[in-house]
Amino acid sequence: NAGVTQTPKFQVLKTGQSMTLQCAQDMNHEYMSWYRQDPGMGLRLIHYSVGAGITDQGEVPNGYNVSRSTTEDFPLRLLSAAPSQTSVYFCASSSPSSGEDTQYFGPGTRLTVL
Amino acid sequence: QQQVKQSPQSLIVQKGGISIINCAYENTAFDYFPWYQQFPGKGPALLIAIRPDVSEKKEGRFTISFNKSAKQFSLHIMDSQPGDSATYFCAASKLSGSEKLVFGKGTKLTVNP
Repeated sequence: NAGVTQTPKFQVLKTGQSMTLQCAQDMNHEYMSWYRQDPGMGLRLIHYSVGAGITDQGEVPNGYNVSRSTTEDFPLRLLSAAPSQTSVYFCASSSPSSGEDTQYFGPGTRLTVL
Repeated sequence: QQQVKQSPQSLIVQKGGISIINCAYENTAFDYFPWYQQFPGKGPALLIAIRPDVSEKKEGRFTISFNKSAKQFSLHIMDSQPGDSATYFCAASKLSGSEKLVFGKGTKLTVNP
């Protein structure tokens, strides 16, 4: 099992550019989430999905889009990058139906927007 | 509105000492309280978790103490080691999914040799 994988590991964008952060999991987890981590702010939920075809907003959704066409993949799209989106992005998956809410995190994508 | 408040922001402990990190929550609907450990350049990983039907859970050198009436829970690391140096996050959620996992802001622990 590879667990949760994320690509790319690092990315530099210019203001206004768009890009997609990829996330995949091979644990057949129904829940997938995107978090951003900023110094002193902890992890904040951007968007989440409870299953294929179902997504919802988290605490800080503005400027980001998601879709969930398969159980395995949950890409995060930045439509028009802004310097405020400079952050480390983590994808996570979990399976609450198994009786626990352990989030399995990927290794993260460090994004810099100039 | 911060639903989970964590303190301290940073903590320095000598090797062999006890590290204590505290968290307080507001939402009485929460019924799952995990602690995550994060090393530099890595994603967070579950360390230990507790449900509110018990007041304490111990796994090796790590213990969660839970006080439901005070809406507080804490992580105790006994015999702290330099390898424990990491950032620790408390979190809370409701297992039914109606309340999403909410994280504290983190505590950077440094254990000096």
